[in-house]
Amino acid sequence: NAGVMQNPRHLVRRRGQEARLRCSPMKGHSHVYWYRQLPEEGLKFMVYLQKENIIDESGMPKERFSAEFPKEGPSILRIQQVVRGDSAAYFCASSPPQQGAVGNQPQHFGDGTRLSIL
Amino acid sequence: KNQVEQSPQSLIILEGKNCTLQCNYTVSPFSNLRWYKQDTGRGPVSLTIMTFSENTKSNGRYTATLDADTKQSSLHITASQLSDSASYICVVSDGTGGGNKLTFGTGTQLKVEL
Repeated sequence: NAGVMQNPRHLVRRRGQEARLRCSPMKGHSHVYWYRQLPEEGLKFMVYLQKENIIDESGMPKERFSAEFPKEGPSILRIQQVVRGDSAAYFCASSPPQQGAVGNQPQHFGDGTRLSIL
Repeated sequence: KNQVEQSPQSLIILEGKNCTLQCNYTVSPFSNLRWYKQDTGRGPVSLTIMTFSENTKSNGRYTATLDADTKQSSLHITASQLSDSASYICVVSDGTGGGNKLTFGTGTQLKVEL
């Protein structure tokens, strides 16, 4: 069973370029979450998506950042016109469809994409 | 503002010894509390999930406790092994965002030495 797959593992961009981070959830999982981890800090929630829908994007910056989870293919986190402060590890997690009590679904994490901005 | 605080920040123990990591949270409303293990350069891996009604849960040598009244949790590791060296992260769900929105602590960095 393949786990959550993220690619690339490392991504280097120059200021002003675009960064595209991909996440393929575990088989059978329809919920995807994106988190950002700055050095020496905990993971911070960015966005929660289900197939073709954004459920909660309250943690995502209003400008330059967007996320999608199309009907076919991986979820994409897109950062336009990157700046040095975007340098971080970006983690994706997935969970299966809701079963039982709301909010008790385990989230399975990928190994992240380390984004470095030159 | 929802917060999760962990202590100690770092810990070094000898192989075979036990240790206990602490977590205090101010998250409302409370849905569940999770402990994750994160190896360097890897994603977090779930160890336990506890709801309001559960006060202890074990996963092998890991035992988590939860006191929902005092909003405290602990993770006890028994008979530590070198492979236990990692960051241990306490995570709380507040039940919003479809119930899956998590607040993370900054972790306790554990190092197990010979």
